[in-house]
This record gives sequence, structure tokens and C-alpha cells, in this order.
Amino acid sequence: ETGVTQTPRHLVMGMTNKKSLKCEQHLGHNAMYWYKQSAKKPLELMFVYSLEERVENNSVPSRFSPECPNSSHLFLHLHTLQPEDSALYLCASSQDLLGTSGGYGANVLTFGAGSRLTVL
Amino acid sequence: AQSVAQPEDQVNVAEGNPLTVKCTYSVSGNPYLFWYVQYPNRGLQFLLKYITGDNLVKGSYGFEAEFNKSQTSFHLKKPSALVSDSALYFCAVRDSNTDKLIFGTGTRLQVFP
Repeated sequence: ETGVTQTPRHLVMGMTNKKSLKCEQHLGHNAMYWYKQSAKKPLELMFVYSLEERVENNSVPSRFSPECPNSSHLFLHLHTLQPEDSALYLCASSQDLLGTSGGYGANVLTFGAGSRLTVL
Repeated sequence: AQSVAQPEDQVNVAEGNPLTVKCTYSVSGNPYLFWYVQYPNRGLQFLLKYITGDNLVKGSYGFEAEFNKSQTSFHLKKPSALVSDSALYFCAVRDSNTDKLIFGTGTRLQVFP
């Protein structure tokens, strides 16, 4: 294990369901991220949290709702998703964010194994 | 716009042969460059990064990458491929305007015994 744990590993849901993805990091990192990975596309950054405060919301539809109750845990709440939302959702963490702009481009990211989401 | 490109969807190489996975970038200023690897059913794992210093960067699992400023490239290399190196490899570059990471689309490396 990489120190970042994601559950569930697989999730199938209907378009009207509500579900949540969970991420937990055991590394003492202060920044956490949600990425979406679709086949043959670059990783899409969705959300960034630093010390439980959201610093990035990358034009993500409101049917995705993140929550960061503390620096070790990150959730992604899912509501009325579309079939095109089917993808691998990756959680990542890093030691810190650099600067006040929420920049993280020089940080090494530690990723979880991902949650494979299928929306029917 | 700043970007990173991985021109090959897939690279096939025989075990024991050298391997190269290509990456080119377009950023303003000095680039921060990364390679990550994703094994089946796993998240991405950091391999190596270039920020400054020696153009040849050594990383995990015997991989290395060469920063070439004139060709704006950061190709990933290994002298002798292993079957266990078969995975999806991602190049990433820091966008100097936003200080965010831009990932490439990934290159699938297949090493045949």
C-alpha cells in the first residue's frame, strides 16, 4: 500500500443514487486532491484541499461534492451522476501546498489505488 | 497554452532490451518535469522529477530520464527492460502560470518475454 487508501475500489450506481467515495492518508500530509482518470485522456484535477480548506474547484459539476473533515480524510459525494461520469477516481496527497495561490506544481503526489465508478 | 505531450499510445519492447518512453513539453520559464507509473489496478506512483541540476535524472526501479532543453523533451529510459515494467507511464509538467501539474495522456509500455 502506498499510504493512501481509497474505498470502495469498485462502485456501480444508478443515475438517481447517492454514494460517497472515501480517501484516507496515513502520511501526515497537509494537502489532498481528487483526480478523474478516463481512458486515453490526461488526468483531470477536480479538487484540492490544504489543511481541510478547499483551494481548488476546477469547474467540476455540482453533482460532485467534496468534503475534507480533517487533513487525513477526504470524501467525494456523488449525486445524480451521468453515464459519462464513469471513470477511475484517484485520491492523492502531498506534504504541503506551496505559496498562497494553492499551487502544487513542484510537489510529489502520492496516489491511492482509485475507485472505479460505473454509472448506469 | 502550456502543455505536455506523449506521442506514443503504446511502446512494445522485448525483455532485456533498452526502452524509451517519449515526452515533450511546452512551458514558459524553467520546467518542472515528472514521470509517474501506474501498474494495473493501482494508483500512480512517482518515478522521478527534474527541477534543476543534472540533465540526467535517476529514479526508482532503474529508470532514468534525460532533460533536453533544446528539444523540449524529457524522455524516460531504462537500459534493460523487465516484464514487470509493463504499465502505464505518465509524464507531467508544472504549468508556470498556475503552478498546477499538467499530465500527459499516458503511454502503455508492454515488455514481452
